[in-house]
Amino acid sequence: QKEVEQNSGPLSVPEGAIASLNCTYSDRGSQSFFWYRQYSGKSPELIMFIYSNGDKEDGRFTAQLNKASQYVSLLIRDSQPSDSATYLCAVSPTGTASKLTFGTGTRLQVTL
Amino acid sequence: GAVVSQHPSRVICKSGTSVKIECRSLDFQATTMFWYRQFPKKSLMLMATSNEGSKATYEQGVEKDKFLINHASLTLSTLTVTSAHPEDSSFYICSARERGPQETQYFGPGTRLLVL
Repeated sequence: QKEVEQNSGPLSVPEGAIASLNCTYSDRGSQSFFWYRQYSGKSPELIMFIYSNGDKEDGRFTAQLNKASQYVSLLIRDSQPSDSATYLCAVSPTGTASKLTFGTGTRLQVTL
Repeated sequence: GAVVSQHPSRVICKSGTSVKIECRSLDFQATTMFWYRQFPKKSLMLMATSNEGSKATYEQGVEKDKFLINHASLTLSTLTVTSAHPEDSSFYICSARERGPQETQYFGPGTRLLVL
C-alpha cells in the first residue's frame, strides 16, 4: 500500500524561528511532491511543489526533496503566528497520473 | 490564477433529501476534478476522480449510487449526495487539476454538509 507519513505534531516553534516539517513516502517511483497548508475549518492551499532532487525556495518557504531517501521536507523561515496551521504533504505516485496521496498532516504552532 | 469555487459553502438538510454541490474552475480548464471528504481532525479522503465527458472513477468503499458525480464541462463538476443521512455529514472539498503536464491540484473552499 502506497503511504505518505508525517508526524502529527503539534510542532511548536517560537516566532522568528525556522520550522522544519518532514514527510516520508513509500512509493520509490513517485514523481511529484506537494505541500499544502490547511487552516482549521478551511480547505487546503497549495504552498509549493517540487519534482527534482534538491532544494526549491519560494520566499520564506524551502522544499527539499531526496528521492534516494524517499524524503521531502518543508522549511519555514522567520515563522509567524499566521503560519500556525496543519501542513499536508502530498505525493503523486507512479502510474496514477494526477491522483495524490496525502499524509495526515503536521500541526504547526508558532508561539509569540 | 488557478481559482476554484464551490457552491454552496454550507448546507443543512433533512435526512433523506439529496444535496448537490458544484465545483468550478474559474480561470483555467480542468480536465480532471477530484472530490474529497474530510472528517474533523482527519486528513483528506479521496472519494472519486472526475474526468470531463466520462464516468467518474470511485475509490474503494465509496458508493457510486450514493455519491453521483457529473463532469459536464471543462470548468464544472457536481457531486450529488443522494438520500443523505447524518453519517454523510462532513466537509466536502473539490480540487481541479489544470490542463498540462504538471500534476498541481487546486482546491475549492469546501462545502460543509450537515444532515439532520
